[in-house]
Amino acid sequence: AQSVTQPDIHITVSEGASLELRCNYSYGATPYLFWYVQSPGQGLQLLLKYFSGDTLVQGIKGFEAEFKRSQSSFNLRKPSVHWSDAAEYFCAVGASASGGSYIPTFGRGTSLIVHP
Amino acid sequence: SAVISQKPSRDICQRGTSLTIQCQVDSQVTMMFWYRQQPRQSLTLIATANQGSEATYESGFVIDKFPISRPNLTFSTLTVSNMSPEDSSIYLCSVLGTSSYEQYFGPGTRLTVT
Repeated sequence: AQSVTQPDIHITVSEGASLELRCNYSYGATPYLFWYVQSPGQGLQLLLKYFSGDTLVQGIKGFEAEFKRSQSSFNLRKPSVHWSDAAEYFCAVGASASGGSYIPTFGRGTSLIVHP
Repeated sequence: SAVISQKPSRDICQRGTSLTIQCQVDSQVTMMFWYRQQPRQSLTLIATANQGSEATYESGFVIDKFPISRPNLTFSTLTVSNMSPEDSSIYLCSVLGTSSYEQYFGPGTRLTVT
């Protein structure tokens, strides 16, 4: 069974500072990898995804993530954080299963706090 | 992409009663998911609902407690039955993109059971 680990429950950064949110996954092959953001009182929104190809993927709002197979990681980064980035961030993996089904698994989330 | 609406957006219910949450999608989708999200916690998958077949429930969730309907490719309902305060949570509807495996989420239904 696949699993996702987000080791940091909270991350605090100053506005303008760089950001890296960690995500490690466990799966027998290369899964589909995603980062979602949930702003306060909002639904989840896809930031970026990785299926194959270039291991550095660009997303919305200036975010990027790098897939590292050797480390089973898919860390999210942003060079300069804005106060509006304060939100909950979820890493997720998905895998196709028998019969055409699809199994998504979410990490527990990392809460980003941005100080002015 | 897909735009998803949920009704109601929030409700306060008495223990022992049932609440049906509706999920409407603006396009036809095959796979729909129902999640529960406790405050400041991750998403817990309740079940996967595909049109034309019975819903598939995850460990710890049973059909008698969380019956799901999926009458067509744009609509689904989740009922929370015989509610207790432990059922207080945000319930999220989600669909799988038709051309990729990314998920789209509804705004959620905030349920409080007193």
